[in-house]
Amino acid sequence: DMKVTQMPRYLIKRMGENVLLECGQDMSHETMYWYRQDPGLGLQLIYISYDVDSNSEGDIPKGYRVSRKKREHFSLILDSAKTNQTSVYFCASSHDWGSYEQYFGPGTRLTVL
Amino acid sequence: GEKVEQHESTLSVREGDSAVINCTYTDTASSYFPWYKQEAGKSLHFVIDIRSNVDRKQSQRLIVLLDKKAKRFSLHITATQPEDSAIYFCAAGGSNAKLTFGKGTKLSVKS
Repeated sequence: DMKVTQMPRYLIKRMGENVLLECGQDMSHETMYWYRQDPGLGLQLIYISYDVDSNSEGDIPKGYRVSRKKREHFSLILDSAKTNQTSVYFCASSHDWGSYEQYFGPGTRLTVL
Repeated sequence: GEKVEQHESTLSVREGDSAVINCTYTDTASSYFPWYKQEAGKSLHFVIDIRSNVDRKQSQRLIVLLDKKAKRFSLHITATQPEDSAIYFCAAGGSNAKLTFGKGTKLSVKS
């Protein structure tokens, strides 16, 4: 059963705290993504990872960093979270960089107070 | 970089009618155009795509048209059903596996 998982599903943090969002996939997909979704803005790409330790900035990387030490796991880190980082974050994966169909996780709703 | 504009932010149709969602893109190098569906409170899932080597693709009640000259593509949902109600996102991608998404169209199918 092909699956992308995200933990936690809901998170409330205070401004200035560090945030770790985790994503896993069981399909041995090479490429993984982090997006944020805000009302009226669609999905915005934060980072893309082409494989272990092969990460590339997306369209809005400022304030975020990522880590991919195993093919099946991709983490998004917010060092010193800001209130404007309140959003729903989606992780996705695709088979390889030439395969465009992306499989999305269930999302993490992050609130930064 | 690529910009994708999704023209209808909301669309309301009667059950059984057709719904059409239109998108335009800016980068002539884009070659892959998928559509994703997001039901209320849920994640996105892939519904249909089209690549630049064809101008029409159909999967059951879904038809995608691509006009490369106009840099425009569209999703047609025929014989709509209440379960088609959702937000639909178009996207465009090139050679680097990155997709640029439109802002979404909220489709309501009224019975």
